[in-house]
Amino acid sequence: KAGVTQTPRYLIKTRGQQVTLSCSPISGHRSVSWYQQTPGQGLQFLFEYFSETQRNKGNFPGRFSGRQFSNSRSEMNVSTLELGDSALYLCASSPGQGDRNEQFFGPGTRLTVL
Amino acid sequence: AQSVAQPEDQVNVAEGNPLTVKCTYSVSGNPYLFWYVQYPNRGLQFLLKYITGDNLVKGSYGFEAEFNKSQTSFHLKKPSALVSDSALYFCAVRGSGSARQLTFGSGTQLTVLP
Repeated sequence: KAGVTQTPRYLIKTRGQQVTLSCSPISGHRSVSWYQQTPGQGLQFLFEYFSETQRNKGNFPGRFSGRQFSNSRSEMNVSTLELGDSALYLCASSPGQGDRNEQFFGPGTRLTVL
Repeated sequence: AQSVAQPEDQVNVAEGNPLTVKCTYSVSGNPYLFWYVQYPNRGLQFLLKYITGDNLVKGSYGFEAEFNKSQTSFHLKKPSALVSDSALYFCAVRGSGSARQLTFGSGTQLTVLP
């Protein structure tokens, strides 16, 4: 099975712009989660989707949003980019929404905001 | 709120020696505990998890972890370290209900010296 794929892998934007990141989960996986990884804050949970519904949301401002499509693919959007949004954005999928399931991570999208 | 502590930012060990990466957690209810490893410019790879049952959990690449409920710890261990084990290791906890998001520790950089 192919793993979790994320596109693009690298992205450079300027302050004030918006960006959309894409994630394709492992085939058959219906749950997708997003995380932000920075040297200062570590790994922080953004949101989780299951069957096109947001199931859980982390403590991020409303500029961060996401959605999931009927084929389980997911996108996240960041509007009005700030310098502090520079980070590695990781997507992870799991078969269902059970708490016992491990998550499988993609390689991430490296976002740089100038 | 749930939390994970990895008290050591850096662990150095000689090749062939046993290694331990420490993790303590705080969560309401029964914990679901995970270890992940991250290599440079890569996403996270799942190593092992504790859900219930035997306190000693065996995982990928010869790693194991011991769950200790009284000390709220879940230390990662390997009997004989390899240079290729050098990477960033993350402990994570997942509760249930409103605490079901995956919460990560700050990570421990493991360096295995030849």
